[in-house]
Amino acid sequence: SQQGEEDPQALSIQEGENATMNCSYKTSINNLQWYRQNSGRGLVHLILIRSNEREKHSGRLRVTLDTSKKSSSLLITASRAADTASYFCATDRGGSNYKLTFGKGTLLTVNP
Amino acid sequence: NAGVTQTPKFQVLKTGQSMTLQCAQDMNHNSMYWYRQDPGMGLRLIYYSASEGTTDKGEVPNGYNVSRLNKREFSLRLESAAPSQTSVYFCASSEFLRGGRWQPQHFGDGTRLSIL
Repeated sequence: SQQGEEDPQALSIQEGENATMNCSYKTSINNLQWYRQNSGRGLVHLILIRSNEREKHSGRLRVTLDTSKKSSSLLITASRAADTASYFCATDRGGSNYKLTFGKGTLLTVNP
Repeated sequence: NAGVTQTPKFQVLKTGQSMTLQCAQDMNHNSMYWYRQDPGMGLRLIYYSASEGTTDKGEVPNGYNVSRLNKREFSLRLESAAPSQTSVYFCASSEFLRGGRWQPQHFGDGTRLSIL
């Protein structure tokens, strides 16, 4: 079963605007990650936040995690046309077998 | 540095045919994974191999078999393809780091499989 659910399913913005995507999950987690997928390509890891962290930054990316609400958000600031892609959250529950459970993704379109 | 390489990139099969999807990684990772991606469904884990010589079922294993040929290679086999197996298949790899943390998974570019 899908652990994460991204919201919205699709988002269209203008270049320079900020994009916010949300992810909700159902069970307790060890880590939550965000991946990007360009059309026709594989997934690329963006950022990881641990369950004991609340916020993390990497360049133009900002991720928050609220374990009490079982939700996370990904903010991309000053979006560029090259940010056009699908974005997925993925969770793991820790342990010796590292298995990720992915959400259904948000399709972000950044218009020039 | 190629990372994770999947072959073939595209394939069309007829119902009932068999096929093996190949995956190889050059990062010396112990763990490898096979996912399928369907429209609106995200990625679902089919099988994974925590280390050479071991394989385990994921969320959707029915209709598939896997072989961890060596540390580099992890293949996925469809013995009798069905239209419901039309999908994009992704292979990934990862490694357990010192300090008790896993490296993020590295993905190949996928195999697009259509079954008529």
